[in-house]
Amino acid sequence: NAGVTQTPKFQVLKTGQSMTLQCAQDMNHEYMSWYRQDPGMGLRLIHYSVGAGITDQGEVPNGYNVSRSTTEDFPLRLLSAAPSQTSVYFCASRLQETYEQYFGPGTRLTVT
Amino acid sequence: DAKTTQPTSMDCAEGRAANLPCNHSTISGNEYVYWYRQIHSQGPQYIIHGLKNNETNEMASLIITEDRKSSTLILPHATLRDTAVYYCIVRAFMYSGGGADGLTFGKGTHLIIQP
Repeated sequence: NAGVTQTPKFQVLKTGQSMTLQCAQDMNHEYMSWYRQDPGMGLRLIHYSVGAGITDQGEVPNGYNVSRSTTEDFPLRLLSAAPSQTSVYFCASRLQETYEQYFGPGTRLTVT
Repeated sequence: DAKTTQPTSMDCAEGRAANLPCNHSTISGNEYVYWYRQIHSQGPQYIIHGLKNNETNEMASLIITEDRKSSTLILPHATLRDTAVYYCIVRAFMYSGGGADGLTFGKGTHLIIQP
């Protein structure tokens, strides 16, 4: 199993640009989530999904969109990038019955 | 979810047992204790979790006090690769549709293993 994979590893955007962060898992997990981590801080939940076709907002959803058309993939879209979105983004997945989550390696995003 | 309190940082000598404490005095009966760690620049890694009994796996042991108000994560023979930030998280399990998902990661304990 590859586990949870994320692409790209690094990205630099200009203010106002849009992009999609990709996340995929091959463990057949129902739940998938996106977190962001700012320097010296803990992770904050952006959006999550409890299954294909079902998504919901987390703690800091503004400026981000998600969709879940398949069990495997959970892309995160930045609609109009802002410097405040400079962060490291982690995708995670888990089975329904536990909070034993598996995290991807992260995407480091810089918005200038 | 119950709030947790952890020391900001700890040191441990390589080869020794690392004991990381966590206080969760407001824990509810249906809340589990989860431990994760994050090695620099990597994604968080699940370590272990428990409800009220002590638990052990290939990575660590989790000791939960009888009143469940505190717990200790034990890394039995710490190595340099165990240097990381360790997060103690308390979370009730909720089936789908039960409310907001996700774990709340605080500041954690920065464990430094000294050679």
